[in-house]
Amino acid sequence: TQLLEQSPQFLSIQEGENLTVYCNSSSVFSSLQWYRQEPGEGPVLLVTVVTGGEVKKLKRLTFQFGDARKDSSLHITAAQTGDTGLYLCAGVTGGFKTIFGAGTRLFVKA
Amino acid sequence: EAGVAQSPRYKIIEKRQSVAFWCNPISGHATLYWYQQILGQGPKLLIQFQNNGVVDDSQLPKDRFSAERLKGVDSTLKIQPAKLEDSAVYLCASREMGKGLGAGELFFGEGSRLTVL
Repeated sequence: TQLLEQSPQFLSIQEGENLTVYCNSSSVFSSLQWYRQEPGEGPVLLVTVVTGGEVKKLKRLTFQFGDARKDSSLHITAAQTGDTGLYLCAGVTGGFKTIFGAGTRLFVKA
Repeated sequence: EAGVAQSPRYKIIEKRQSVAFWCNPISGHATLYWYQQILGQGPKLLIQFQNNGVVDDSQLPKDRFSAERLKGVDSTLKIQPAKLEDSAVYLCASREMGKGLGAGELFFGEGSRLTVL
């Protein structure tokens, strides 16, 4: 069974602080995606990483895919209250089966 | 472009009753997924369709859950009989066939929230 473990499960920080969320697995994935989910809505894609060691930046968000394509991290610089939400990593297999982690719930205080 | 449509948005039933959820994916998206998201957890894959064929249903509790995707477009997910632990949001998602490197984006509906009393 393929599992994705995310840490931390919950994070409460002050506006302006930096944070890193981790996503780890014992399985190799074809690609890994990060989604953000707001209450009452479905997850929305932030980024897809494909190549081992790949780094992608999206404004204040930096995503990294591990060299072995088993783990990933999301780093947010100078967090804002608008970053509050549930961050989900998702591993995608060759058959496009997509497995989600349990998520990291981020709360950014003003 | 219209998004993934799901109905109903909310459903409250008593245990042992049955319920059905409907999903209309984005036009042209061949792959359709049903996920179960229990409060405080990440989405759990129940079933994946490619057109009207099942690709993966290894996590679907087949004694009470069933799903179909007739004609490769709309899909329905049924629970019969429901248990208390089925209380969750049922999310439908669709994906266009991958182009180039990596998987395409999963587009989700707003979900159907089920409460079993």
